[in-house]
Amino acid sequence: DIQMTQSPSSLSASVGDRVTITCRASQGIRNDLGWYQQKPGKAPKRLIYTASSLQSGVPSRFSGSGSGTEFTLTISSLQPEDFATYYCLQHNSYPYTFGQGTKLEIK
Amino acid sequence: QITLKESGPTLVKPTQTLTLTCTFSGFSLSTSGVGVGWIRQPPGKALEWLALIYWDDDKRYSPSLKSRLTITKDTSKKQVVLTMTNMDPVDTATYYCAHSHHTSSWLYDYWGQGTLVTVSS
Repeated sequence: DIQMTQSPSSLSASVGDRVTITCRASQGIRNDLGWYQQKPGKAPKRLIYTASSLQSGVPSRFSGSGSGTEFTLTISSLQPEDFATYYCLQHNSYPYTFGQGTKLEIK
Repeated sequence: QITLKESGPTLVKPTQTLTLTCTFSGFSLSTSGVGVGWIRQPPGKALEWLALIYWDDDKRYSPSLKSRLTITKDTSKKQVVLTMTNMDPVDTATYYCAHSHHTSSWLYDYWGQGTLVTVSS
């Protein structure tokens, strides 16, 4: 199985901050990676697909980059509604695997 | 507009078999490339990929749970069913189904609301 190591596991930040979350794959996965946002009691919502493509309707302050084994999700200027948990998902090979999540909290 | 909704028991006893149904609309499981997957999330923990079925009946399973899982589809009813045998309290989780596709642009782009299943005697 491909292991996805996400860091940090938690992060405190303020409104307006720039934030970066990283996912590292245990082997190369090309750009077969998505980023998801999950708020308490809700289903995950896709933000980014194929590592850097912005899902329709998602604000442009979200961006993704990377290829191979290292990927990042950046939020350029945090908004109050962005405080949530974020997950990466690799779909390069089965079984698909998620990162362990990054909980983004208000400082 | 794509929608998915999970249904099934909220409480099962240890050793019982869990049967969950995902009822969807807005797409067809007879269309080339289309799939429906299941993902679960224990309370306070991370997402875990479980299984996936495609339009051509290709099925994929998590290796750690493969012996306990079966995924099937009923194209005409627009339903995908996941069964998990020998349930244990550690299987307590919210179970989600999601629309998928061989094309990354449409992979896990729409999710159901999830259904919480508790395993307890």
